[in-house]
Amino acid sequence: DIQMTQSPSSLSAAVGDRVVITCQASQDISHYLNWYQQKPGKAPKLLIYDVSNLEAGVPSRFSGSGSRTDFTFTISSLQPEDIATYYCQQYDKLLTFGPGTKVDI
Amino acid sequence: QVQLVQSGAEVKKPGASVKVSCKASGYTFIDYDINWVRQAPGHGLEWLGWMNPNSGNSGSPRKFQGRVTMTRHTSLNTAYMELSSLTSEDTAVYYCVRTQQWLFRDWGQGSLVTVSS
Repeated sequence: DIQMTQSPSSLSAAVGDRVVITCQASQDISHYLNWYQQKPGKAPKLLIYDVSNLEAGVPSRFSGSGSRTDFTFTISSLQPEDIATYYCQQYDKLLTFGPGTKVDI
Repeated sequence: QVQLVQSGAEVKKPGASVKVSCKASGYTFIDYDINWVRQAPGHGLEWLGWMNPNSGNSGSPRKFQGRVTMTRHTSLNTAYMELSSLTSEDTAVYYCVRTQQWLFRDWGQGSLVTVSS
């Protein structure tokens, strides 16, 4: 089974800061990597698919990059409404979510 | 618009089974897979498996094989997930998700299942 790790597990940043989250797969997953945002008490929301494609309606301050085993999720300028937990998800072989990164202000 | 409306909260005893329903509207039910994801209190997301509502075919990770059953009633546009042999570790919010090429775009509101003696 493919294992996903994320770092950091949590972070605190100021409004306007650039936030970077990394996600690592235990084996090559090519480009089969998505990112989700989950706010407290809500269902997750798809933000980025296939590494770097922004879902419709998602602000352009969110971006993703990477390939094979190492991936990065970036918020270019953190906004108060971005307070949430962010999960990466691989779907190359079956499906696995990362453990999540909690972002606070 | 696409809506997935799930059944309400359940309390079950250890060893029992639970069946969660997910009623779809706003699209053609058989055209999209339904996946199930759960989230234990204070924990991350865990995938339980997928089902093709058209064929009825389904699959789940090894961890849940033999314990999870995914079915559907196409005339009711409803998908079901049944989990058996419940333990306290199965206490979680269970989500159904409409998926397209493994993109989890549309989520139900979640159904809380509590396992307690």
